[in-house]
Amino acid sequence: DTEVTQTPKHLVMGMTNKKSLKCEQHMGHRAMYWYKQKAKKPPELMFVYSYEKLSINESVPSRFSPECPNSSLLNLHLHALQPEDSALYLCASSQGQGGNNSPLHFGNGTRLTVT
Amino acid sequence: EDQVTQSPEALRLQEGESSSLNCSYTVSGLRGLFWYRQDPGKGPEFLFTLYSAGEEKEKERLKATLTKKESFLHITAPKPEDSATYLCAVQARSGNTPLVFGKGTRLSVIA
Repeated sequence: DTEVTQTPKHLVMGMTNKKSLKCEQHMGHRAMYWYKQKAKKPPELMFVYSYEKLSINESVPSRFSPECPNSSLLNLHLHALQPEDSALYLCASSQGQGGNNSPLHFGNGTRLTVT
Repeated sequence: EDQVTQSPEALRLQEGESSSLNCSYTVSGLRGLFWYRQDPGKGPEFLFTLYSAGEEKEKERLKATLTKKESFLHITAPKPEDSATYLCAVQARSGNTPLVFGKGTRLSVIA
């Protein structure tokens, strides 16, 4: 078990659907991240929130919309996705963004399949 | 541009056969180098952070070392449960730069 909880674990959605991925951490971390990971590839950064404000958007298409309702929660809203968006979506948190004692702690991800 | 290269891509060991994984990096001032373990279908699990050349960290059968150009993850007398993908990542000192990940080494330990 990890201290970063992601729901759902699996999600299948059609290209016209709207769905949301959820992430929660109770470690008091102030930075939260969304990563996308394809099979046999390293995680690719999508978004970073620092103190509940979006600080990094790695040129992610607008069909992915992040939201940070409070310091413990992070959502990723999905709309009009493409089959190539199928991947493992990982949430992570750290004490701060860029600090010396800030390793990322990852959740176990949401396996997303777009049909 | 910050870069991380891990080798080998895949490694197959017999149980008890010690070996090392390599992580070579180029970064404009190293803030930290991180090692993660990832099991299939799971998120990466944090193992170690190394900050400066000469530093070493140990956890069970794993030992991570750091020089100015590379890091090694030494695995002593591995067991089948050590099979996983091991990821290396670096963070530059400048600003709030995100981690740069290597492509990982897929380790298989055969009983």
